[in-house]
Amino acid sequence: AQTVTQSQPEMSVQEAETVTLSCTYDTSENNYYLFWYKQPPSRQMILVIRQEAYKQQNATENRFSVNFQKAAKSFSLKISDSQLGDTAMYFCAFMKPSGTYKYIFGTGTRLKVLA
Amino acid sequence: NAGVTQTPKFRILKIGQSMTLQCAQDMNHNYMYWYRQDPGMGLKLIYYSVGAGITDKGEVPNGYNVSRSTTEDFPLRLELAAPSQTSVYFCASRSGLAGSSRSTDTQYFGPGTRLTVL
Repeated sequence: AQTVTQSQPEMSVQEAETVTLSCTYDTSENNYYLFWYKQPPSRQMILVIRQEAYKQQNATENRFSVNFQKAAKSFSLKISDSQLGDTAMYFCAFMKPSGTYKYIFGTGTRLKVLA
Repeated sequence: NAGVTQTPKFRILKIGQSMTLQCAQDMNHNYMYWYRQDPGMGLKLIYYSVGAGITDKGEVPNGYNVSRSTTEDFPLRLELAAPSQTSVYFCASRSGLAGSSRSTDTQYFGPGTRLTVL
């Protein structure tokens, strides 16, 4: 069974600085997808970035980028030029693209951006 | 295009009461999911559906039931509410079309329902 671990329950960063959130996962699959979702105080789950395991190139979305290390089973999220609106819970998720296509979520990292 | 909608946003139940959480999507997605999020935790899968008329259990199905009579709707039923069911409930949908793209592999979430059982 797959598992997803986020070892940092809480983090803080100064506005305009860079922060990296960690995520590790365990799977015997070779083909899978990884996601980072943001959950602000409104509770809405918002997709930040996705990565296909067969792609070596790290995904980027504006100020958000990932460091995907397949052999190490690591999938960290880097937020550059942090903004107050980035304050939220961040969840890492794993998906095997077959069967249910269900997500396996980590327990989340609460990020606070300080003014 | 409203995406995934959920009603109600908040609800307080007494132990033993029943209720249905509504979920609807207007994206013609085949796959739909119900998750619960307990305080300080990630989301856990309760039930899912791969199309109208087809449902199956997830990781934590006990105390819940679902139905999928149409592509659009996927209600979650709590028959005898218990304090352990106090949680935030999220509905999500996914396209299910063949191929790989952001739109087909990504789950889109509703705004959630906060349920308290006293």
